[in-house]
Amino acid sequence: AQSVAQPEDQVNVAEGNPLTVKCTYSVSGNPYLFWYVQYPNRGLQFLLKYITGDNLVKGSYGFEAEFNKSQTSFHLKKPSALVSDSALYFCAVRPLNSGYSTLTFGKGTMLLVSP
Amino acid sequence: ETGVTQSPTHLIKTRGQQVTLRCSSQSGHNTVSWYQQALGQGPQFIFQYYREEENGRGNFPPRFSGLQFPNYSSELNVNALELDDSALYLCASSLDQYEQYFGPGTRLTVT
Repeated sequence: AQSVAQPEDQVNVAEGNPLTVKCTYSVSGNPYLFWYVQYPNRGLQFLLKYITGDNLVKGSYGFEAEFNKSQTSFHLKKPSALVSDSALYFCAVRPLNSGYSTLTFGKGTMLLVSP
Repeated sequence: ETGVTQSPTHLIKTRGQQVTLRCSSQSGHNTVSWYQQALGQGPQFIFQYYREEENGRGNFPPRFSGLQFPNYSSELNVNALELDDSALYLCASSLDQYEQYFGPGTRLTVT
């Protein structure tokens, strides 16, 4: 069975500073990895995904994520945080060759960007 | 391109009642997944439908059931509601095995 760990319940960063939201995963075979963002009282919005290829994946709103197979990690990053980035971030995984496309999510990390 | 929509937005039910939640897939998508997101938790997979057939189910009891229609819209039915069923219910659609796009969710409160 697959699993996702997001070790930080909350990440605090000042506007303009770089941010990192951590994610590690466990899955059989090669992973299909995702980051989603959730604003209050809203559904999840897709940010980016990793399937194969370049370990640095670029996504929406200036976010990127770095896949590290040896550390089974997929940390979300942004060079310069904005106050509007404050939201709940979820990492998710599924096996690349699974028979159906369901996702396993982490418990989420709240990102708070202060002015 | 039309996104994923869900109805109703909010719902309040009494323990023991039954509820039906609805989801319209994004245009061109043939797969629908349902998730339950309890307060402070990540979404938990309930089940998935692909071309009107259930093709995967999470660790939820049989009183959670679903349907997918020929136009790929979907329903989630929950019988004999319990207090712990209070959550945000998310529907996600996808084309075959590709990334899932989520609707805004239905907030269910069971009293």
